[in-house]
Amino acid sequence: KAGVTQTPRYLIKTRGQQVTLSCSPISGHRSVSWYQQTPGQGLQFLFEYFSETQRNKGNFPGRFSGRQFSNSRSEMNVSTLELGDSALYLCASSSTGTGGYNEQFFGPGTRLTVL
Amino acid sequence: SQQGEEDPQALSIQEGENATMNCSYKTSINNLQWYRQNSGRGLVHLILIRSNEREKHSGRLRVTLDTSKKSSSLLITASRAADTASYFCATVSSGSARQLTFGSGTQLTVLP
Repeated sequence: KAGVTQTPRYLIKTRGQQVTLSCSPISGHRSVSWYQQTPGQGLQFLFEYFSETQRNKGNFPGRFSGRQFSNSRSEMNVSTLELGDSALYLCASSSTGTGGYNEQFFGPGTRLTVL
Repeated sequence: SQQGEEDPQALSIQEGENATMNCSYKTSINNLQWYRQNSGRGLVHLILIRSNEREKHSGRLRVTLDTSKKSSSLLITASRAADTASYFCATVSSGSARQLTFGSGTQLTVLP
């Protein structure tokens, strides 16, 4: 089975712009979660989608949003980028509807740099 | 916010030695998981231990869980240079929230 894929792998944007990141989960996985990793804050949960519905949301401003499509692929969007949004964004998929109750499979991440 | 702390923050050992990393957390959990991350890449799941389990093994890995102390440890035996990575513990709370809450991580360096 192919693993979790994320596109693009690297992205450079300027302040004020918006960005869309994409994640394709492992085939058959319906739960997709997003995490932000920065040197200062570490790994932080953004949100989780299951069957096209946002089931859980972390403590991030409304500039961070996401969605999931019927084929379980997910996108996250960050609007009005700030310098502090520079981070590695990780997507993870899980095989059951219980999300984190089982192991999550992570993609390689998208490295976003905001200038 | 992060669930807890990992100790030590950095660990450097010789190949063949054992490496022990500790993790403390704050809330009641459904399970605790350990992940490995190689230099700025994705995370790889290592092992999951549920709240009703005390010890689990997988190959050269041994994980213990003490829910009364809200702590866990990861032991890597007979370490190899390829084990050099950051190791994170992550908890899933026993409430309705099911996301992983990560610790701060331990950077392990195994010297050949």
